Amino acid sequence: GENVEQHPSTLSVQEGDSAVIKCTYSDSASNYFPWYKQELGKGPQLIIDIRSNVGEKKDQRIAVTLNKTAKHFSLHITETQPEDSAVYFCAASTGGTSYGKLTFGQGTILTVHP
Amino acid sequence: EAQVTQNPRYLITVTGKKLTVTCSQNMNHEYMSWYRQDPGLGLRQIYYSMNVEVTDKGDVPEGYKVSRKEKRNFPLILESPSPNQTSLYFCASSLYGNEKLFFGSGTQLSVL
Repeated sequence: GENVEQHPSTLSVQEGDSAVIKCTYSDSASNYFPWYKQELGKGPQLIIDIRSNVGEKKDQRIAVTLNKTAKHFSLHITETQPEDSAVYFCAASTGGTSYGKLTFGQGTILTVHP
Repeated sequence: EAQVTQNPRYLITVTGKKLTVTCSQNMNHEYMSWYRQDPGLGLRQIYYSMNVEVTDKGDVPEGYKVSRKEKRNFPLILESPSPNQTSLYFCASSLYGNEKLFFGSGTQLSVL
């Protein structure tokens, strides 16, 4: 089955700096890659997603890039703010008969210092 | 308000005592799924249901059962809980498939 590796496990930045979280996946058939943000005591919340037919997607300060050849994708947060502090999860899934399955990475604890 | 509601929020039980964690969504979503979250392991999928007629195993289904008798509800059943099922559990739903999931607030389960 699919395996998703996420790095780093913790990331500490100063307010205003950029943050990058990277994920690799094993199944070349994977075609959907979402990113979720989990604040303390809450459930994960979708922040951005990308499909395999797109190389990059942006939404204000957040962007995701995908390299299908290398089987990795990354989350980029620019101009970080203290409210960006949370746990971030990447995930990957294939379509077809496995459309219900979604495999998550191990998570990255992001801390933004004021 | 659109939401996924899980109950209870916290649960402490003993080995072997059957329990059910309820999950309900008010968004008329077809897809529902259960995950467990453990430190260093991320979120792992237990079961998912594409619709009321289709339910299938995720990556860690052993020791769990689910039921999808109606669209809005998807309870998670532990018939004989064991300490290795101590975890934080999340229910999620979406309009279709595993995309753009809405998560509940979680159920922290401790099995003694």
